[in-house]
Amino acid sequence: GQNIDQPTEMTATEGAIVQINCTYQTSGFNGLFWYQQHAGEAPTFLSYNVLDGLEEKGRFSSFLSRSKGYSYLLLKELQMKDSASYLCAVRDGDYKLSFGAGTTVTVRA
Amino acid sequence: IAGITQAPTSQILAAGRRMTLRCTQDMRHNAMYWYRQDLGLGLRLIHYSNTAGTTGKGEVPDGYSVSRANTDDFPLTLASAVPSQTSVYFCASSTSGSTDTQYFGPGTRLTVL
Repeated sequence: GQNIDQPTEMTATEGAIVQINCTYQTSGFNGLFWYQQHAGEAPTFLSYNVLDGLEEKGRFSSFLSRSKGYSYLLLKELQMKDSASYLCAVRDGDYKLSFGAGTTVTVRA
Repeated sequence: IAGITQAPTSQILAAGRRMTLRCTQDMRHNAMYWYRQDLGLGLRLIHYSNTAGTTGKGEVPDGYSVSRANTDDFPLTLASAVPSQTSVYFCASSTSGSTDTQYFGPGTRLTVL
């Protein structure tokens, strides 16, 4: 089976930086995704990593280390609208996506 | 362009009843997926289809069936609903089978009493 772990909750202040960690153990690896999900809405795609290193997209960056089975999502210059759940998902050897339970980020003024 | 639509938005269902959740996409994506999302468990794959005419079982397929008669539609049927099937159901699609980014519909909130 797949095992994907991420913290349940994180709280940060508006304008600050938050790092959400994700560790995984899967049968094969074909990429790691981060999705954002606001309460009551659908997940929306944020980032994709398949090679080791950092991918930057505006205020959001995602890092991958395949040898360590580790990724993080970095949210910079936090805004109130960033309050959401962030889902780590790994595509396994059969090209199926397995999701972590999600990290709820609360941004406070 | 609507992307992916799901119907109904929400439904309350008596146990033992049959229910079909509808999913339609207009992006001409080859692959489609059904997930359920439960508090503390994350999204779990129920069934998938890599192309029209083919389907496969995901992590939690028991009690559910799907069909893929054409590219656009991927209905999910609960033959005889049970309370443990109370969940939020998301349909998703991607372009080239399982290798591409998945995009999600708005979800259906189902309550089985």
